[in-house]
Amino acid sequence: GEDVEQSLFLSVREGDSSVINCTYTDSSSTYLYWYKQEPGAGLQLLTYIFSNMDMKQDQRLTVLLNKKDKHLSLRIADTQTGDSAIYFCAEGPMDTGRRALTFGSGTRLQVQP
Amino acid sequence: KAGVTQTPRYLIKTRGQQVTLSCSPISGHRSVSWYQQTPGQGLQFLFEYFSETQRNKGNFPGRFSGRQFSNSRSEMNVSTLELGDSALYLCASSLARESYEQYFGPGTRLTVT
Repeated sequence: GEDVEQSLFLSVREGDSSVINCTYTDSSSTYLYWYKQEPGAGLQLLTYIFSNMDMKQDQRLTVLLNKKDKHLSLRIADTQTGDSAIYFCAEGPMDTGRRALTFGSGTRLQVQP
Repeated sequence: KAGVTQTPRYLIKTRGQQVTLSCSPISGHRSVSWYQQTPGQGLQFLFEYFSETQRNKGNFPGRFSGRQFSNSRSEMNVSTLELGDSALYLCASSLARESYEQYFGPGTRLTVT
């Protein structure tokens, strides 16, 4: 079945780059997502990448996809204290038969001033 | 444009009771999905509705049900509540079934005592 794995915790200093990693098992994944969850809030869609892409950049965010190794990473440049949150990796086949996103357990990013 | 709204935001129920949660998708969005988030199981897919029909269902017991109205608003119902149903219930909307962007609401925090 589908499985998405993430490390649980990452601590960085303000101004440094953060790299959050994720591995997935479903080779039929069409889209891979990064969501951010702040305390007491829902999930905020940060960015996503189609499975035939290697990289996507969106302002401070860079997503890298290694489809051969089923490895996804999210790099946050110039990390700020406001980036402290839990980051979820998710994969979704997004065909008409299966619409559910499968989420990892989340990586808690702590940004130290 | 307003985001996904969920009501109520917080709810306390007693074991054995039933509960109904409501979700209003982003204006123009027609697909609504529900997820359960718990510390132990993480984020798990409950079901997806489109055009007032349930299109996909996750691995949850029949006590969990839902429906969608003609204006795309959705409700989910949990009958015979158990302590383990305590969770954050998140609703996500997308424009259509083919859409790969899912936007989440703030969630309803259900506590079962």
